[in-house]
Amino acid sequence: LAKTTQPISMDSYEGQEVNITCSHNNIATNDYITWYQQFPSQGPRFIIQGYKTKVTNEVASLFIPADRKSSTLSLPRVSLSDTAVYYCLVGNAGNNRKLIWGLGTSLAVNP
Amino acid sequence: NAGVTQTPKFQVLKTGQSMTLQCAQDMNHNSMYWYRQDPGMGLRLIYYSASEGTTDKGEVPNGYNVSRLNKREFSLRLESAAPSQTSVYFCASERGAGPNYGYTFGSGTRLTVV
Repeated sequence: LAKTTQPISMDSYEGQEVNITCSHNNIATNDYITWYQQFPSQGPRFIIQGYKTKVTNEVASLFIPADRKSSTLSLPRVSLSDTAVYYCLVGNAGNNRKLIWGLGTSLAVNP
Repeated sequence: NAGVTQTPKFQVLKTGQSMTLQCAQDMNHNSMYWYRQDPGMGLRLIYYSASEGTTDKGEVPNGYNVSRLNKREFSLRLESAAPSQTSVYFCASERGAGPNYGYTFGSGTRLTVV
């Protein structure tokens, strides 16, 4: 199962764009990349998922280079309410019971 | 559209007591999971159920049992609670096949064992 590596913490300011990069050198051909957001005292919330190139939804964009060994979650114009922990996971429906949830990236958005 | 509902939200147990954490999903998902989350550690899988009628152990199953009552409900039981089981417990479900397999999590149960 592909292990992921992401920064432990990041700081930003309101209105800035935040990019969080995750490396997953051992990603398998049928693996997808999924990002989750977790606020204190809540369960993680699905943000975005992708396989290759770029995916965009109303919340974020996900950039995946051709070799798929890394991915970047982009949060446009963050606000204080985006302060949360962000997790990057790699896997597929066949092995998702073995997903390893690391500590994620703790994003602090300052006024 | 409730998603995943967990009860109770908070619970305090004495060592040796038993309790059952309830979880129900209304999204017709096949797979359901129980995780625990402790400070300084990532989410750890306790048990999962790939489909109705099946359950299997995850990373940290000792001290727990589960029941997949039907497609909607997946309960977690602590037979004899220990202080080491003080944690936040999350139930999750997901479709179980194909892309967009992302989890939907409940809001959690904060359990303290004294």
